[in-house]
Amino acid sequence: DQQVKQNSPSLSVQEGRISILNCDYTNSMFDYFLWYKKYPAEGPTFLISISSIKDKNEDGRFTVFLNKSAKHLSLHIVPSQPGDSAVYFCAALTQGGSEKLVFGKGTKLTVNP
Amino acid sequence: DTAVSQTPKYLVTQMGNDKSIKCEQNLGHDTMYWYKQDSKKFLKIMFSYNNKELIINETVPNRFSPKSPDKAHLNLHINSLELGDSAVYFCASRMQGARETQYFGPGTRLLVL
Repeated sequence: DQQVKQNSPSLSVQEGRISILNCDYTNSMFDYFLWYKKYPAEGPTFLISISSIKDKNEDGRFTVFLNKSAKHLSLHIVPSQPGDSAVYFCAALTQGGSEKLVFGKGTKLTVNP
Repeated sequence: DTAVSQTPKYLVTQMGNDKSIKCEQNLGHDTMYWYKQDSKKFLKIMFSYNNKELIINETVPNRFSPKSPDKAHLNLHINSLELGDSAVYFCASRMQGARETQYFGPGTRLLVL
């Protein structure tokens, strides 16, 4: 029962262009969403988050958009850089819950020079 | 100055053996987690401890026993290892409090032969 889905296992973009990574969720009790970035042989590192009371959060080149009615969020990276090449995990937290992160399967982003 | 460290990084062992994985964090956090990333790349929570007390136990076989000797350490002991236990195990930590970021260790790659 996948509550957080990342349907694209991989994405390839050119340096300087926009990368858009998508994430869908099924559990309407989720109220906080996070993106983690993971390089090979390392643990995931936190990138950006958004609360369900917002529809957008921006941090430098990274912007996360949340569409609650569609249960969909996306991460935009612009401009993309080769160092952004990594696996990106979408994760969600339940309101009033025990801070138990529920992860998607990840999308491998490759940014070509 | 590693924040969350795990030992060993790699572990190859035979079916039926008992093994332990250790995790230490020097961030002063009071909550620690174990996650498992299986062959399908799903990252799933296994356990969480807060101040040495178990707060999350996600239907994990009782061959897996976490132990937290103090707030900075959370070890995972696995008895009677099975082929299906082969995975990458990640430790994470955070400060107690709503929406505090979880910091992950580099992972322990366990291969059961």
